Amino acid sequence: EVQLVQSGAEVKKPGESLKISCKASGYSFTNYRIGWVRQMSGKGLEWMGIIHPGDSDARYSPSFQGQVTISADKSINTAYLQWSSLKASDSAMYYCARAGNRGDYYLDSWGQGTLVTVSS
Amino acid sequence: DIVMTQSPDSLAVSLGERATINCKSSQSVLYSSTSRNYLAWYQQKPGQPPKLLIYWVSTRQSGVPDRFSGSGSGTDFTLNISSLQAEDVAVYYCQQYLYTPHTFGQGTKLEIK
Repeated sequence: EVQLVQSGAEVKKPGESLKISCKASGYSFTNYRIGWVRQMSGKGLEWMGIIHPGDSDARYSPSFQGQVTISADKSINTAYLQWSSLKASDSAMYYCARAGNRGDYYLDSWGQGTLVTVSS
Repeated sequence: DIVMTQSPDSLAVSLGERATINCKSSQSVLYSSTSRNYLAWYQQKPGQPPKLLIYWVSTRQSGVPDRFSGSGSGTDFTLNISSLQAEDVAVYYCQQYLYTPHTFGQGTKLEIK
C-alpha cells in the first residue's frame, strides 16, 4: 500500500526556519516524483513545486521560487519542504503527494498534511 | 502560468440528481505529441487531504465509483456526477499537469439541496 506520512504540526515565530518531511512507503521512491501543495485556511489548493527523488531535480512555481526549498533523501525515502525565514503568511496546511515520472504528473496519493502556524 | 477557472463556485444538487462542474484552462492542455489532455480532478472533503478522482480527463482512479465521469478536450472540461450521493458533498478541483506550475482551479463546493 502506498503511504505518505508527513511530520507533525508546527508552531513557529516569524523569522524562524523550518523543515517538514514526507516519508514514503509501499512503492519505489525514486520511480515517482513528490509534489508539494499549500492550502491556506478556508482556501483552495496551490501547487508549490515537485521533485524527482532520484536526482533531486526540483521545479518550483514562480510564486514559491526562492521562498521555499524542496529536497529529498532517497536513502530514507523522504522528501522535505523547508523555509529559511518564516513569515506569518506561510501559515497554512501543506500536503505532499506522489506524482508520476513520465508526464503523468497527476497526484495520486497524498499525505495527511502538516499544519504550519507562524505567529509572534 | 496557466489559469484554471472552474464554474460554478458552488453548487447545490438534490440527492439522486446530476451534478456538473466545469473547468476552463487559459490555454490548451492537449499535448499534440501524445494526443492526451493533461487534466485531473480531485475531491476534498472537510478535514481530509484531496483525493484523486480522474486523470487524463476521463480515466477514473481505482476505487472511484462510476457515477463520476470526466469529459472535454483542449481548454474546456467537465466533471459529472450522475446521481448525487450524500458522501459526494465536497470541494472539487481541476488541475492541469502539462505546464509547470501545475495549476489548480479555485474549487467548486458541492452541497445537497
